[in-house]
Amino acid sequence: EPEVTQTPSHQVTQMGQEVILRCVPISNHLYFYWYRQILGQKVEFLVSFYNNEISEKSEIFDDQFSVERPDGSNFTLKIRSTKLEDSAMYFCASSPDLGGIGYTFGSGTRLTVV
Amino acid sequence: GQNIDQPTEMTATEGAIVQINCTYQTSGFNGLFWYQQHAGEAPTFLSYNVLDGLEEKGRFSSFLSRSKGYSYLLLKELQMKDSASYLCAVRDSDEAGANNLFFGTGTRLTVIP
Repeated sequence: EPEVTQTPSHQVTQMGQEVILRCVPISNHLYFYWYRQILGQKVEFLVSFYNNEISEKSEIFDDQFSVERPDGSNFTLKIRSTKLEDSAMYFCASSPDLGGIGYTFGSGTRLTVV
Repeated sequence: GQNIDQPTEMTATEGAIVQINCTYQTSGFNGLFWYQQHAGEAPTFLSYNVLDGLEEKGRFSSFLSRSKGYSYLLLKELQMKDSASYLCAVRDSDEAGANNLFFGTGTRLTVIP
């Protein structure tokens, strides 16, 4: 069964440093997403991406965040200057279309900011 | 805005049936998802409802009433491995092309022998 893969599985970084979280969506999917889940809290939408541009973003997705599809397979989330409160599990997801049920999550990257 | 409510925790006995409720208030609606999430892992898809009624899938069933803003997930013949968090998520259609999901806080189910 096709999977969304994320690397690394766990990243520790110092406050103020830049991090890049990487995702490889399912190959025939067209829509890509980032969500985050702070420990013990709910999964929160960050951003969606289609046709090489952001289609939606939440209030959480401020100027410190950016996304990119640098090539035909990778989808990245960059946090420019990490804060302690950015510590969370970050999930990438992809879907083949709008409105369907083929919404698949990756296994996540646990980001710890110290 | 979006508001999705579900109980925080539930406990049930192995072999029994458990119903996890979810109520929602969203500005638009384009489907409701149920996901299972084990600690430290990704959400995995269980079921999807966009029309009123019951969807059955093996030991899992999900029900939707759009007029009441209500859904439930029914788990039958509970197994120990069903101990996990169950997430209710609504896809909002308020904006054209919206496809992001809004999640509840999840219901942590503990199955006991």
